[in-house]
Amino acid sequence: AQSVTQLGSHVSVSEGALVLLRCNYSSSVPPYLFWYVQYPNQGLQLLLKYTSAATLVKGINGFEAEFKKSETSFHLTKPSAHMSDAAEYFCAVSDKSNTGKLIFGQGTTLQVKP
Amino acid sequence: NAGVTQTPKFRVLKTGQSMTLLCAQDMNHEYMYWYRQDPGMGLRLIHYSVGEGTTAKGEVPDGYNVSRLKKQNFLLGLESAAPSQTSVYFCASSYFMGQGGEQYFGPGTRLTVT
Repeated sequence: AQSVTQLGSHVSVSEGALVLLRCNYSSSVPPYLFWYVQYPNQGLQLLLKYTSAATLVKGINGFEAEFKKSETSFHLTKPSAHMSDAAEYFCAVSDKSNTGKLIFGQGTTLQVKP
Repeated sequence: NAGVTQTPKFRVLKTGQSMTLLCAQDMNHEYMYWYRQDPGMGLRLIHYSVGEGTTAKGEVPDGYNVSRLKKQNFLLGLESAAPSQTSVYFCASSYFMGQGGEQYFGPGTRLTVT
């Protein structure tokens, strides 16, 4: 069965520092991969998605992620953290069926310190 | 466009009571989903629908029922609420795109069962 593992339930960085949120997936076929962000008391919104067009994917708010098949990883990065980036981040992989179902990781809470 | 809306935003139930959560979308999406979010567990799929009049079970369907009588609405029912159903419930919808479709999320319903 497909699964997603996010390493680190909490990540803390200083404002201006590099943000790195880790995601590893298991899939027997090339997957579609997503990163979603959830701000406090809100629903999830899409940051970026990988659909096999390019291995380096750029998203909103300066985030990007690189698909590495050899490492089964899809880590999310941002060169310089802003206070407004504090949120919970979810990595997800698409189900193999054509139902659009997503399998989510456990989530990583990003704290940004001034 | 309102996007995906959920009613109600908050609810407190006593054990054994029933209720229905309403999800509505105005984007003419074919697919709709109900998730529950619990701390440290990410989002887990309860039920989903790939079109008007269709429903299917997700990862954690026990204790819930759903209906999709109209394309724009997806209802989630709890017939006899239990404390284990205390959670935040999210509805999402997406275009018919197979595996690569982005899901659009509602703001969530926070349910407490005492």
